[in-house]
Amino acid sequence: QKEVEQNSGPLSVPEGAIASLNCTYSDRGSQSFFWYRQYSGKSPELIMSIYSNGDKEDGRFTAQLNKASQYVSLLIRDSQPSDSATYLCAVNSYSSASKIIFGSGTRLSIRP
Amino acid sequence: GAGVSQSPSNKVTEKGKDVELRCDPISGHTALYWYRQRLGQGLEFLIYFQGNSAPDKSGLPSDRFSAERTGESVSTLTIQRTQQEDSAVYLCASSPSGSPYEQYFGPGTRLTVT
Repeated sequence: QKEVEQNSGPLSVPEGAIASLNCTYSDRGSQSFFWYRQYSGKSPELIMSIYSNGDKEDGRFTAQLNKASQYVSLLIRDSQPSDSATYLCAVNSYSSASKIIFGSGTRLSIRP
Repeated sequence: GAGVSQSPSNKVTEKGKDVELRCDPISGHTALYWYRQRLGQGLEFLIYFQGNSAPDKSGLPSDRFSAERTGESVSTLTIQRTQQEDSAVYLCASSPSGSPYEQYFGPGTRLTVT
């Protein structure tokens, strides 16, 4: 079992709709969760972090965390073509301080 | 301020040659990370530094790979006797003290082994 799992996609969503990206993780000791966005040919950039169960909102982005289910998600409201990218879920490694484990990413495509 | 920089941006080398990749982190960032990303794949952790020490080298694929960091700044990743499977983008990231997980990535070095 991979430590951090994501559906590779591509996920195609019409412009203006809500895009929902999901991630599961295997280490119950993980406490910190992150979403990075990576445009094609570019480096990842941090867009959201979440540490507590529930929702965290930042503009059009909402991160959701459920530690009991070992599940974290990212919702993008009012999706724009500029949101088309690969979204990487990352989780801290309980066994190795300061290390985070990345999922393989979900490719999101927003169609006009 | 200046972000993370990496050099070279592209490197083409022949199989069997050694290569050295360089990373300049954001000034004042104490933690530095190296990742490998093969085409269409996720990020594969290689090694991280806290200051000049490397608490976790578990991701280095083989003894052909080594890394060092001096003066809590520049880091170099060295690959000896390169193989074709080493072809990938090598990404460096740094993070500030107190926020080890908020990583800022450099533009990467694209390595092609022919």
